[in-house]
Amino acid sequence: ETGVTQTPRHLVMGMTNKKSLKCEQHLGHNAMYWYKQSAKKPLELMFVYNFKEQTENNSVPSRFSPECPNSSHLFLHLHTLQPEDSALYLCASSPALGSSTDTQYFGPGTRLTVL
Amino acid sequence: ELKVEQNPLFLSMQEGKNYTIYCNYSTTSDRLYWYRQDPGKSLESLFVLLSNGAVKQEGRLMASLDTKARLSTLHITAAVHDLSATYFCAVDPGTYKYIFGTGTRLKVLA
Repeated sequence: ETGVTQTPRHLVMGMTNKKSLKCEQHLGHNAMYWYKQSAKKPLELMFVYNFKEQTENNSVPSRFSPECPNSSHLFLHLHTLQPEDSALYLCASSPALGSSTDTQYFGPGTRLTVL
Repeated sequence: ELKVEQNPLFLSMQEGKNYTIYCNYSTTSDRLYWYRQDPGKSLESLFVLLSNGAVKQEGRLMASLDTKARLSTLHITAAVHDLSATYFCAVDPGTYKYIFGTGTRLKVLA
């Protein structure tokens, strides 16, 4: 596979469930990102990792827990979510923070519904 | 608070017409990005503008950046139906806290 892949593509979970979103990039990039896209709101940056180190936590509630075991994989662990957390969660990667060609490549997203 | 504002939010235009989408941002930024998102799909990078006065063109789309005015434009020339999508601009204020605009939903009518 090429590019940025995300699994699952769709997820329905109850507020007491624990689930994880997975992102994998095959581009040789060193920076990875989680974004939240809600209806009628701008895309919101959640977390940034650069060379496996978290560089940004954009005031995200602790019920969202990221994990970056290596530069190719990024997870978002979910627990005790609220209905307002329902959204499209997008993963992205880029060569590295601060590089002159720091364009982000996005995955297809996971459509999350919290009941 | 850093804001990135796009206008218009919605744009319906006839094929063959020209139009411009505007992106204003409220703080200094050395980089500005334009993305396209088709319905149900992810974001696709269109342009990266890295300096004041930068202009980039790809097909019927041309993007420019004026860092002094904190303004970027995305100009559409002779629109075709395939350009129907939502267009986002985004800025990096130097802290890697990429801030996206609200998006402009473009519909090109045949």
